[in-house]
Parts: sequence; structure tokens; C-alpha cells
Amino acid sequence: NAGVMQNPRHLVRRRGQEARLRCSPMKGHSHVYWYRQLPEEGLKFMVYLQKENIIDESGMPKERFSAEFPKEGPSILRIQQVVRGDSAAYFCASSPATGADTEAFFGQGTRLTVV
Amino acid sequence: AQKITQTQPGMFVQEKEAVTLDCTYDTSDPSYGLFWYKQPSSGEMIFLIYQGSYDQQNATEGRYSLNFQKARKSANLVISASQLGDSAMYFCAMREGDTGRRALTFGSGTRLQVQP
Repeated sequence: NAGVMQNPRHLVRRRGQEARLRCSPMKGHSHVYWYRQLPEEGLKFMVYLQKENIIDESGMPKERFSAEFPKEGPSILRIQQVVRGDSAAYFCASSPATGADTEAFFGQGTRLTVV
Repeated sequence: AQKITQTQPGMFVQEKEAVTLDCTYDTSDPSYGLFWYKQPSSGEMIFLIYQGSYDQQNATEGRYSLNFQKARKSANLVISASQLGDSAMYFCAMREGDTGRRALTFGSGTRLQVQP
């Protein structure tokens, strides 16, 4: 059973380009979370999705950022017109349920660098 | 208000000694879970240990144990017999159960350096 798979591991974009980050949850997991980690900081929640639904996007910037988790295929975090401040590590986590005792399994992260 | 507070930005410990990493939390939800993750320099997030709000006993996993003091709202991580490979960032996190958001809320982390 493969873990949470994120790709690419590293992504370099010029200012103004689009960044697409992919996350395949663990098999059987229907809950996906995206987090952003700035250098030397903790992880900040961005968005929580279940299959085809956004459940909580309270941590996601209102502009330029969007996320989806289609019925088939990976979850995608999309950042349009990237700026230098978007440079960060983006982590995806998945879980099979939402109880307080449910562990979230993390992917390796995608390190986005905007030049 | 901060949900998760880690007051130690950095800690040093001698190899083979024990070390305690502090974590306090704030929630009004009676059902919650507390997690510790390790992030080595390679960047991945490694789950270490979990404590549930209704658990009567402190959680233990190998050399890791969680000193859970519910009344004080603290969930400190104790690493016994430190090894050089324990050098990493350590994050405390909370998930609120019945009424709160389902995502984990993380503290700012503690950088642990194990010295030979």
C-alpha cells in the first residue's frame, strides 16, 4: 500500500506562471488536506477536500489559489500567477476518516520556488 | 489565540540523554487528538505518537512517550536515550473532533539538536 504521493517534489516557476501540485492519497482514503510551510515555520492549513467536494477552504488565499479532488485522479492544488511569496513547501495529507483520533498521513511535499 | 504553542524554538541534548519538548494547546472541544511529528532535514513529516483526549494512560511508542496533563492542557513529548538521528524539527499538532475543524493545527515547532 503506497503512501501519499506528491509530485513534483521540486517545482520552479517564474513570476506570473501557474503552478500545479498533485497529491494522490493513500488507497482507501477519501479525505485530503493541503498545508503550506514557509521556511522555519510550522505547517499552516489551507484546504480540506473530500471526493469532488471542498469541505473547508478557510486557510486558502481568496485569489489565485484553488484546489480540487475529482472523482478520478489526484487532488490538485493550483496557484495562478505565482509570486515570490508563494515559495514554500506544500504538503498534502490524507486520512480515511475525520475523527479526532484519525492519523493524517503526509506526502513528501512539493517545494515550490518562484524566481 | 494560538491553538498549539511550542515555546522552545531550539533545544540541545547530549546523546543517550532524555529530552522533553513542550506543547500546550487550547480547545473547548471535549473530543480532540494530539499528535507529534518529526521533520528531518530531508523535509518529510514523520508521525511519532498520538494521544486522545479521553485516553486515561499516557501514550508510548518505543523511545517516545507523551506526558499528557489534561488539566494543564499540555502534551509534552519525551524522547528517551537520544540518538544523533533524532536531530530534527518536532511539531505538535491537534485535531478537534466533534465540532471543530477536521484538519490538524500545528505549532511552530522545536528544533532539536543531539550532540555526541
